[in-house]
Amino acid sequence: SYELTQAPSVSVSPGQTASITCSGDKLGDKYACWYQQKPGQSPVLVIYQDSKRPSGIPERFSGSNSGNTATLTISGTQAMDEADYYCQVWDSSTVLFGGGTKLTVL
Amino acid sequence: QVQLQQSGPGLVKPSQTLSLTCAISGDSVSSNSAAWNWIRQSPSRGLEWLGRTYYRSKWSNDYAVFVKSRITINPDTSKNQFSLQLNSVTPEDTSVYYCARASVGATRGAFDIWGQGTMVTVSS
Repeated sequence: SYELTQAPSVSVSPGQTASITCSGDKLGDKYACWYQQKPGQSPVLVIYQDSKRPSGIPERFSGSNSGNTATLTISGTQAMDEADYYCQVWDSSTVLFGGGTKLTVL
Repeated sequence: QVQLQQSGPGLVKPSQTLSLTCAISGDSVSSNSAAWNWIRQSPSRGLEWLGRTYYRSKWSNDYAVFVKSRITINPDTSKNQFSLQLNSVTPEDTSVYYCARASVGATRGAFDIWGQGTMVTVSS
């Protein structure tokens, strides 16, 4: 079965660039989405169709997807960006989520 | 704006049926450009998609393989809501359950609206 792999944690200093990756076989052939989840809250969509931002999502969030890896990039990371981030794809009429990456801003 | 409001019990006994409802405001369960989903989350298994219901000239459902024998998702057009029923629950079904909209047009099937989540514990 298809699997998505994310690193459990990533740390970044305020103002720096954070890169969160999601790996899967030929992931670049699918559309990847990214969600941000803060403690006690529901997930929020931050990137869809690999690189598009929903309205209201800051420009510092961007995405790419090629080969076997999708990447969520947060430029000029702020303390408020500290959260769990999940990638997600559709595969054969079913949905798969990555295991999540905890982003720590310190 | 579109909102999803979940309701249902937070405690279910083993072997019984878990039932949750998701009321939609600002959109229609019969929309031709949306699908209505249930997703759950637990510390041990992360986010798991359970299934969806959607209308494209007729009603259709898709279910995750691992729950296909136990799950039913139904639309209720009279109340503009949809429901989840999960039969024969065990403690492994203990999770936070979310309803979510997948908007085909605007966000190409991504889950752009989520309910507030319901913590469901399976215990006697």
